[in-house]
Amino acid sequence: DVKVTQSSRYLVKRTGEKVFLECVQDMDHENMFWYRQDPGLGLRLIYFSYDVKMKEKGDIPEGYSVSREKKERFSLILESASTNQTSMYLCASNSLGRSPLFGQGTRLTVV
Amino acid sequence: AQTVTQSQPEMSVQEAETVTLSCTYDTSENNYYLFWYKQPPSRQMILVIRQEAYKQQNATENRFSVNFQKAAKSFSLKISDSQLGDTAMYFCAFSDFGNEKLTFGTGTRLTIIP
Repeated sequence: DVKVTQSSRYLVKRTGEKVFLECVQDMDHENMFWYRQDPGLGLRLIYFSYDVKMKEKGDIPEGYSVSREKKERFSLILESASTNQTSMYLCASNSLGRSPLFGQGTRLTVV
Repeated sequence: AQTVTQSQPEMSVQEAETVTLSCTYDTSENNYYLFWYKQPPSRQMILVIRQEAYKQQNATENRFSVNFQKAAKSFSLKISDSQLGDTAMYFCAFSDFGNEKLTFGTGTRLTIIP
């Protein structure tokens, strides 16, 4: 069964901490994405990557960075977590022209 | 920039009835994809159905079908014979042909009443 796996379902972090959200896919997809989901706002794209070490900013990249050292793994990094980054984070992946598949989501709370 | 609008924040329907969720979008592109995703309480985003803009025929997947009106930039989802398991958030989404990034609407929370 093909999968996009996010390392944590729930995370609680303190303000100012550096936070890593990990995503792994086993489908050899070129493209990987990080979205943020907030009530009433839908999903908004933070960053996406179309190849190893390649990345492109999405609609809301401020306060985030990403890393893609291997094709199957795409990490979202919060350099200094803030309370306004409390949200649901969703990872997705696809190959060109195929429908994106999503991970199960990580609910991050910053206190 | 593309935008996707879902004007129904919440809907409810009796089990076994038919329900239609609305979605409109704005784009200057001619070739693109449209999607409906379902997010049940488990939070897993599941692809329900996809439509390629160059195809005139409306996509169908079992009880799920779409009404794609390209000129009107409308893409509604019809769920027939609704079941309790259809209770979920439904998101309409758009992507340009050759650009894999999805633009989402704000979602419709659908509740199926026993």
